[in-house]
Amino acid sequence: QKEVEQDPGPLSVPEGAIVSLNCTYSNSAFQYFMWYRQYSRKGPELLMYTYSSGNKEDGRFTAQVDKSSKYISLFIRDSQPSDSATYLCAMSNYGGSQGNLIFGKGTKLSVKP
Amino acid sequence: NAGVTQTPKFQVLKTGQSMTLQCAQDMNHEYMSWYRQDPGMGLRLIHYSVGAGITDQGEVPNGYNVSRSTTEDFPLRLLSAAPSQTSVYFCASSYRGTGSVNGYTFGSGTRLTVV
Repeated sequence: QKEVEQDPGPLSVPEGAIVSLNCTYSNSAFQYFMWYRQYSRKGPELLMYTYSSGNKEDGRFTAQVDKSSKYISLFIRDSQPSDSATYLCAMSNYGGSQGNLIFGKGTKLSVKP
Repeated sequence: NAGVTQTPKFQVLKTGQSMTLQCAQDMNHEYMSWYRQDPGMGLRLIHYSVGAGITDQGEVPNGYNVSRSTTEDFPLRLLSAAPSQTSVYFCASSYRGTGSVNGYTFGSGTRLTVV
């Protein structure tokens, strides 16, 4: 079993829809959870991060972490065509001087006008 | 502020050739790393460095060498290119302050084809 599992999609939704993206993980030591967005032929860029369990909201984006279920989610409200990209979850044991990020394989999202 | 700069953007190599992928950052980040991204495989860590003079192996280090003589630069060397090394390579850097949560800043990638 891979440390981080992410459904690769592709996921296609109409403009304005609520999008739910998810990852599961097996390492209970993970404490730092991130979502990256990657546009075609570009490098990933940090979108959201959370520490331990709970929710974090930033505009149309909400990140949720459920450590008891080893499950993280990213919700996109009022999705826009500009949200079309690949979304990668990432997680780490440590936020400081140790620990490399472990990435999911990414979910490709397409938002249709 | 340039962030993370990777050169070249594209490269075609013949099997057996060697080359160096360049990565430079101007954010004074301690941590730098190299990933390769392949369809269906996600981002896989090749090598990383937590500071000048310190490097370590990641998940897929075979066939690659790195060095970190300065904080700014972290070149990746392909010793003898093989078709299996055809991939998109990303360099990333991060501040590693104790207790802080830091995301990576990625470069725009190098698309390498080995024929």
